[in-house]
Amino acid sequence: DVKVTQSSRYLVKRTGEKVFLECVQDMDHENMFWYRQDPGLGLRLIYFSYDVKMKEKGDIPEGYSVSREKKERFSLILESASTNQTSMYLCASSSLSDSGFGSYNEQFFGPGTRLTVL
Amino acid sequence: QKEVEQDPGPLSVPEGAIVSLNCTYSNSAFQYFMWYRQYSRKGPELLMYTYSSGNKEDGRFTAQVDKSSKYISLFIRDSQPSDSATYLCAMSHLSRNTGFQKLVFGTGTRLLVSP
Repeated sequence: DVKVTQSSRYLVKRTGEKVFLECVQDMDHENMFWYRQDPGLGLRLIYFSYDVKMKEKGDIPEGYSVSREKKERFSLILESASTNQTSMYLCASSSLSDSGFGSYNEQFFGPGTRLTVL
Repeated sequence: QKEVEQDPGPLSVPEGAIVSLNCTYSNSAFQYFMWYRQYSRKGPELLMYTYSSGNKEDGRFTAQVDKSSKYISLFIRDSQPSDSATYLCAMSHLSRNTGFQKLVFGTGTRLLVSP
């Protein structure tokens, strides 16, 4: 059973604080993702990583950075938290596609971290 | 215009009803079409996926894709209170170079099935 865990379910931080969100997966997946989920906007991709130490910007990377030092762990960093970063943050992982068309590599999601920035 | 449009609901139905959830999209490159289910205070989990056009059935759930109309649907037969959740459509296309699939999600439709 794939398991994606996130370090905190709920987090409250002050404006300007540095915030670390941790994600760990136990299925040896190559790909890992960070999304934020907001009402009316759905899930939006912040950053993703397809290998250790590799990272790519998603659709809304501004104000965020990531770190992937080990295959199983992907961290999201808010260098200086702002109130507009109050959101639900979801981590996901998937395996690298090794087959042709018709196959989909499911993304497995963690339970989410509800971050409030005051 | 958003790449994927989905009515947020909420959609309220009585137990036993047939539910129809829909999404439209604008990117003709999408080849994989998914439905994720998200219970309150949980992460999304994959319910069904379809490659290209056509229908796919799994128990009480049927997914339909009409690429010519850029329209996908999820039907739930004999709906149950346990089906109450937010349903998110998602779409992607496969990069031949990287084997990577980046998902684009709809906003999700909240479904409430009352006993």
